[in-house]
Parts: sequence; C-alpha cells; structure tokens
Amino acid sequence: GDSVTQTEGLVTLTKGLPVMLNCTYQTTYSPFLFWYVQHLNEAPKLLLKSSTDNKRTEHQGFYATLHKSSSSFHLQKSSVQLSDSALYFCVLSSGSWQLIFGSGTQLTVMP
Amino acid sequence: NSKVIQTPRYLVKGQGQKAKMRCIPEKGHPVVFWYQQNKNNEFKFLINFQNQEVLQQIDMTEKRFSAECPSNSPCSLEIQSSEAGDSALYLCASSPQGRAETLYFGSGTRLTVL
Repeated sequence: GDSVTQTEGLVTLTKGLPVMLNCTYQTTYSPFLFWYVQHLNEAPKLLLKSSTDNKRTEHQGFYATLHKSSSSFHLQKSSVQLSDSALYFCVLSSGSWQLIFGSGTQLTVMP
Repeated sequence: NSKVIQTPRYLVKGQGQKAKMRCIPEKGHPVVFWYQQNKNNEFKFLINFQNQEVLQQIDMTEKRFSAECPSNSPCSLEIQSSEAGDSALYLCASSPQGRAETLYFGSGTRLTVL
C-alpha cells in the first residue's frame, strides 16, 4: 500500500544553519506531495505542495523538489530561524481520498 | 489564523462516557476530514465527508465512533464509549474539493479519557 517515510524524528540545529528534512514515498498512483508544519498548540498548516516532477517549489524560505525517479520530496531551508521550530509532516495524496501522513520530524532551532 | 473552528478545545471524560466534538469547516468547503493525532504525533484517518455523505471511514469509526456533517449545522464526531486509548488530539480539516487540494485544519479538540 501507499506509504510515506520521514527518517528523522528529531532534528536540532543552531539558528542560521541549513536544514534538510527527508521524505520518501511509495505509491502506484500519480503522487501529490505536501509538507505541513504544526507549531506547538496550533493547527497544521500547508507549507508546500507539488505534483510536478523535478520542479522546485518554494514558500516562506522553504523549498522542495519532487523527484519521481527517487520517490522523494525533501524539505530544505538555507538558514533556519528560531520561529521554524515546529513539527513538519510530509503527506502523500495518491489514488483515494485519504492522505497518508509521515511520522513527522520535530525541528528545534537553538539560539 | 485557521478558519476551521473546532470546539471544545479540551475535553475530559471518564472511561465509558460519551465524548462529542464539533467542527465548522471553512465556508464553501464541501469536503471534511477527521484525524486522530496521538501522543507520538502520528495521524490516523477516521472519516471523511463530501457535503453530507460519507466518503470513507475506517473500522474504528464504524464501531464506537459516529460522525455526521448535516447541512447548515456543525460537523460532529462522537465516541460512544470512551476508552483510555482514545486520548488524543482530534483534528478536523476541510478542503475545497478534490484529492490534490490543500487541507485546512482546525486547532483540534484534545480529549483526555481518565
């Protein structure tokens, strides 16, 4: 069945450093990938989405490129800020109404 | 700020009690999802609706959980007989339409079953 894998459960970085959060997926359908961010005690919000192969999508300094050849949609930022501390979820939409959520990566940015 | 409104924000129930939570989806969004987010932050799909009709639901929902999205009223999710394992954050999300559309989440109802 469809699945999403986020390999890092917890990432801790110092402010100003780059970050990459990994996301790989498995599906037999044409994939639509999302990154959602959930700050403490807040609703998850969309950060990025894409269904176009090899096209970089950007928002609020974050960017990701869907690579269908490697089934990946890694999230990156060149310089993290304290306000980026949050839970990040990679989400797959494939052949049904259900969305498949990854296990989430908790990003903590230190001063 | 989220335009999906969930109430109550916190809910505390004893085992065996009913627990009911409500959701007002964003205006104009015909598709509504309910998810359970556990203490490990894992999302579990429960049920979804398009207008008032159920699209999909999991077995758990079919047994102890009931949900509806009546026209002109808030959507609701009710646990008939709460169990300790039901303690979680229940998130409602709405979507304009289609499987590739963005989900707009509410802030959730945090249920604690004592």
